[in-house]
Amino acid sequence: EVQLLESGGGLVQPGGSLRLSCAASGFTFGNYAMSWVRQAPGMGLEWISSISVGGGPTFYADSVKGRFTISRDDSRNTLFLEMINLRGDDAAIYYCAKALTNQFRGLLDSWGQGTLVTVSS
Amino acid sequence: EIVMTQSPATLSVSPGERATLSCRASQSVSNTLAWYQQKPGQAPRLLIHGASTRATGIPARFSGSGSGTEFTLTISSLQSEDLAVYSCQHYYMWPPTFGQGTKVEI
Repeated sequence: EVQLLESGGGLVQPGGSLRLSCAASGFTFGNYAMSWVRQAPGMGLEWISSISVGGGPTFYADSVKGRFTISRDDSRNTLFLEMINLRGDDAAIYYCAKALTNQFRGLLDSWGQGTLVTVSS
Repeated sequence: EIVMTQSPATLSVSPGERATLSCRASQSVSNTLAWYQQKPGQAPRLLIHGASTRATGIPARFSGSGSGTEFTLTISSLQSEDLAVYSCQHYYMWPPTFGQGTKVEI
């Protein structure tokens, strides 16, 4: 069974930084593209970043480009999201998700339960 | 970026009735369209991909149709456990955008 467990969320001041992690199990992590998707309170889903197999091409939403960095450690079956210069509109639940196939890296077939990021002074 | 627009925002359906949800893309996405179900307090779950292919373990009462810019998710006989927000997403190009969701009320 695929399991994705996010961690690292919490309360951060505007301008601050956080590093999110996603521990994966139940599948061969290194064989799949991975993504982060967020959901602000009461709002819809927003894709923010994806990383290809082997750490290859990475992709970012314009809203986070230059501030967020996605990475992966296949030896530890872990996905990361480094976030700097956080703003109020970055407050959300952040989900880690696995691609169904590597042909379509944005198609997400398994999701974690999410980690909450709150940005407030 | 491609804008995904869903209608209606809220749909009230009685158990056993058919529910029809719509999703429109601002430009053609071919059949690279997915539907996700998100129950209160839970993570999204993939229901449909390729516009009409049910994901693993998804009941047959869920079906998807459409191509290009117009898509439909149909729940043939609504069950109480289908109370959720349903979101469409294209994965035709970067960024893969989501619709704002349709809330299905029982």
